[in-house]
Amino acid sequence: DTAVSQTPKYLVTQMGNDKSIKCEQNLGHDTMYWYKQDSKKFLKIMFSYNNKELIINETVPNRFSPKSPDKAHLNLHINSLELGDSAVYFCASSPGGGANYGYTFGSGTRLTVV
Amino acid sequence: RKEVEQDPGPFNVPEGATVAFNCTYSNSASQSFFWYRQDCRKEPKLLMSVYSSGNEDGRFTAQLNRASQYISLLIRDSKLSDSATYLCVVIPITGGGNKLTFGTGTQLKVEL
Repeated sequence: DTAVSQTPKYLVTQMGNDKSIKCEQNLGHDTMYWYKQDSKKFLKIMFSYNNKELIINETVPNRFSPKSPDKAHLNLHINSLELGDSAVYFCASSPGGGANYGYTFGSGTRLTVV
Repeated sequence: RKEVEQDPGPFNVPEGATVAFNCTYSNSASQSFFWYRQDCRKEPKLLMSVYSSGNEDGRFTAQLNRASQYISLLIRDSKLSDSATYLCVVIPITGGGNKLTFGTGTQLKVEL
């Protein structure tokens, strides 16, 4: 039973398309995140939601829009995809409330824009 | 200057060797420190937290020097299965959320 699950695992799409990545966690955590790992393998946070409320929004193009319908789900929608968006996107969750342990990552979505 | 800096490696070591990785961080107010491990094409996984007093977990020892803003990881008796990228991770003091700030990772290859 996967704790943090992302779909799809692989996504190949053309420039200019709009796509979504879904994430669900069954750990009862309050906080969820999106991280991006670029071609140089550098992992950087994009967004964080705590109980459906946006709490971290790093410098990300506004073509990226996260949505959290409930605290167990955090989806990422990307408009007008560009070549530079090709990366691995990781969803993660943590208990929140100041806890800095129990961070769990999903297995990643490998996005390739052609 | 990057918030968390690591030597990218790769470190190629024979099985049984002892290897050490270092990491420096720029935000002196950082509150929590970790080492994560990432295998090829997999997600990062927590290896161990790092405490000021130093801590050990089997073959792995982590140290934190707050004065020098420096974190280290020592792996003794390296195994082939230790081959991975080791990520130094810091949680800075921020207004909200537990944002993990990652170093670029140090690649370790343990060989026969």
